[in-house]
Amino acid sequence: AQKITQTQPGMFVQEKEAVTLDCTYDTSDPSYGLFWYKQPSSGEMIFLIYQGSYDQQNATEGRYSLNFQKARKSANLVISASQLGDSAMYFCAMTYQAGTALIFGKGTTLSVSS
Amino acid sequence: EPEVTQTPSHQVTQMGQEVILRCVPISNHLYFYWYRQILGQKVEFLVSFYNNEISEKSEIFDDQFSVERPDGSNFTLKIRSTKLEDSAMYFCASSNPKVATNEKLFFGSGTQLSVL
Repeated sequence: AQKITQTQPGMFVQEKEAVTLDCTYDTSDPSYGLFWYKQPSSGEMIFLIYQGSYDQQNATEGRYSLNFQKARKSANLVISASQLGDSAMYFCAMTYQAGTALIFGKGTTLSVSS
Repeated sequence: EPEVTQTPSHQVTQMGQEVILRCVPISNHLYFYWYRQILGQKVEFLVSFYNNEISEKSEIFDDQFSVERPDGSNFTLKIRSTKLEDSAMYFCASSNPKVATNEKLFFGSGTQLSVL
């Protein structure tokens, strides 16, 4: 069975600093996808970044990068130059096949202060 | 950018009543999903739908729940007899993956269901 673990219930960072949000996963499938979503206080789920299990390079999307360490089964999200608007809940998630469930971690609340 | 639309944004109902949550997925998407999030907890998968049938469902998705795509645009979740524990934010999502695992789900903004 697949499992996603986010061990940091809350993280605090100063504006303009970088922050890493941890995510580890467990699966026996060789082919899978890893995702990060942002959920601001307004409640919507915003896609941030995707990493495929066969991708050779770590994914990057603007200020977001995914530190993918396959052997350690970790997929940490790195946010560079934090902004106040980054304050939100962040969810790591994975899936192994189209049309199947996206399994979410419990989330990490990020608070960015000025 | 195209978006998934959910209505209503808030729904209040009495325990035992039926509710229908509505979603309009992105028009060229093929896979449709319902997820729920109880306040302060993680997002939980309910059901996925493809080619006019359920492709996967979780243990939460019992006989009280049903999904339907009544026409070419809407995708609905029906809860037949609501319970207090059904109170949650319900998210609809859709996707159109070209690569099997590159399944970027587009989420709607959710329907907050409150069962009294």
